[in-house]
Amino acid sequence: AQSVAQPEDQVNVAEGNPLTVKCTYSVSGNPYLFWYVQYPNRGLQFLLKYITGDNLVKGSYGFEAEFNKSQTSFHLKKPSALVSDSALYFCAVSRPYNTDKLIFGTGTRLQVFP
Amino acid sequence: EPEVTQTPSHQVTQMGQEVILRCVPISNHLYFYWYRQILGQKVEFLVSFYNNEISEKSEIFDDQFSVERPDGSNFTLKIRSTKLEDSAMYFCASTRSGTSGTYEQYFGPGTRLTVT
Repeated sequence: AQSVAQPEDQVNVAEGNPLTVKCTYSVSGNPYLFWYVQYPNRGLQFLLKYITGDNLVKGSYGFEAEFNKSQTSFHLKKPSALVSDSALYFCAVSRPYNTDKLIFGTGTRLQVFP
Repeated sequence: EPEVTQTPSHQVTQMGQEVILRCVPISNHLYFYWYRQILGQKVEFLVSFYNNEISEKSEIFDDQFSVERPDGSNFTLKIRSTKLEDSAMYFCASTRSGTSGTYEQYFGPGTRLTVT
């Protein structure tokens, strides 16, 4: 069965510093991997995805993520954090066909301090 | 930019009552989903729907739940007899057809269901 782990409930970072939000996954076969962001009282917004190809994928708002098959990880990164990046971030995995359900991690709250 | 919309934004109901949550997926999308998020917990898959039938459902999606696409635009989730533990945020999502090469699901803003 697929699963996703986000080991940190909260990540704190100063504005302008690089940020990393961690995600590891377990799925049989090649996974499809996603990051979504949730702002207060809002739905989930798609940030980026890894389907195949280059292990470093770039997404919205300057975020990127690196797929590491040997470590079964898909960490979200941004070179320079903004206060407006403060939100709840969810990693998700699906089986390798493009209409499959998403299995979400527990979420990581990112707090960027001015 | 097209969006998934959901109504109502907040629904309060008494235990044992029926509720219908409504969603309007993005117009050229063919695959539809319901997820829920109990307060403070992760987002959980409930059901997927394609070509007017359920593709997959989770163990949460028991006989008290049903889904329907009554017309060309709406996608509904019905809970027949609500329980306290059904209190959650319910998200609708949609994605394009399997041949499109688009893999991400687009989520609506959610309906907060409170069962008292």
